[in-house]
Amino acid sequence: DAGVIQSPRHEVTEMGQEVTLRCKPISGHNSLFWYRQTMMRGLELLIYFNNNVPIDDSGMPEDRFSAKMPNASFSTLKIQPSEPRDSAVYFCASSLDHSFPLHFGNGTRLTVT
Amino acid sequence: KQEVTQIPAALSVPEGENLVLNCSFTDSAIYNLQWFRQDPGKGLTSLLLIQSSQREQTSGRLNASLDKSSGRSTLYIAASQPGDSATYLCAVRIEGNTPLVFGKGTRLSVIA
Repeated sequence: DAGVIQSPRHEVTEMGQEVTLRCKPISGHNSLFWYRQTMMRGLELLIYFNNNVPIDDSGMPEDRFSAKMPNASFSTLKIQPSEPRDSAVYFCASSLDHSFPLHFGNGTRLTVT
Repeated sequence: KQEVTQIPAALSVPEGENLVLNCSFTDSAIYNLQWFRQDPGKGLTSLLLIQSSQREQTSGRLNASLDKSSGRSTLYIAASQPGDSATYLCAVRIEGNTPLVFGKGTRLSVIA
């Protein structure tokens, strides 16, 4: 299995631009999670889906952030407009269900200048 | 609110030493606990998953224990090697269908 696949690996953009991060979970996994990691705050959960349905988006910082999961094999996290404080590594993770391990992608390093 | 703490934040040991990484959590009513490894610039790799009914899990040189009543887990690494150098994160799940809550990790350096 190829594991959780994220794209792009790196994204550099200017403040105010729209940013879209993509994730392909492991085939057959029905839970998908978006996390953000910074040195100061560690790993923070942004949103998670079960069977393509958003369950909890209370971690999404503000209305500039949105996430979708149109089908079981694809999810996006969008930031519009982006700000310098959004600079972080964004991880997508998936699991078969809550009794099984969580598998992470390699992340997208976002830099907003 | 569940909080996960890992102490120390960083640890440096000579090669060959056995070591223990600590994880504590505030709410003992957990569903399971998972240990991860993160190499620089990489994602997290799952090492061990302990269900709430279990006391420990082993994989090779790694052994993770769980004491729910005291809100603690340890990750034991035997005969450490330079390749073990990484950040180790602990995460707990409160209920069956909820996300993991992560500690901030322990950065381990094994010196040859």
